[in-house]
Amino acid sequence: NAGVTQTPKFRILKIGQSMTLQCTQDMNHNYMYWYRQDPGMGLKLIYYSVGAGITDKGEVPNGYNVSRSTTEDFPLRLELAAPSQTSVYFCASSYTLAGGPVYEQYFGPGTRLTVT
Amino acid sequence: AQKITQTQPGMFVQEKEAVTLDCTYDTSDPSYGLFWYKQPSSGEMIFLIYQGSYDQQNATEGRYSLNFQKARKSANLVISASQLGDSAMYFCAMREVYSGAGSYQLTFGKGTKLSVIP
Repeated sequence: NAGVTQTPKFRILKIGQSMTLQCTQDMNHNYMYWYRQDPGMGLKLIYYSVGAGITDKGEVPNGYNVSRSTTEDFPLRLELAAPSQTSVYFCASSYTLAGGPVYEQYFGPGTRLTVT
Repeated sequence: AQKITQTQPGMFVQEKEAVTLDCTYDTSDPSYGLFWYKQPSSGEMIFLIYQGSYDQQNATEGRYSLNFQKARKSANLVISASQLGDSAMYFCAMREVYSGAGSYQLTFGKGTKLSVIP
């Protein structure tokens, strides 16, 4: 059971380039999330998904896109990278039932992205 | 207004001593959950403990306990018998059931850096 895996671990992008951050979970969780963590700050939600085919914006979605074609995978796409997107990106997943018990979110190891 | 406030940017504690990390929160949801995560220098987020808004008793997990004072809207983390391996960033987070627009997202504080001194 690998949990939540993310690739790559590190990446340097030039301004205007694009890339996809990969995220896979093998716990059959329905909810998946993308967060970013800026230096000295807590995590902020970029996008989330409640199941395959369903995604929605979080607190800071500008400059990003996501898709969820399977339960396991939730890639994050950066188009036209900007220095403001320099951050550490975390993917997370949880099993959530509306009105049901609360379960913790499991986090991937993070991707450290620098845009120069 | 900040939903999660952690007022201690950094804390020091002697090994084997207990330490309390502060967290206050702001919500109008009747149902919410409070989480603490540990982030060591390696960067991963490790879940420590959870407290539900309707839980009558304070949560405990090994050396971690959560001092939940609902009327004061505080959810402080207590680490007993500190170990060198406890040196890390600690984040308090909240999940609101109704205000989260169905995302069940976690809203994080800015964190407290704990340093354990030998």
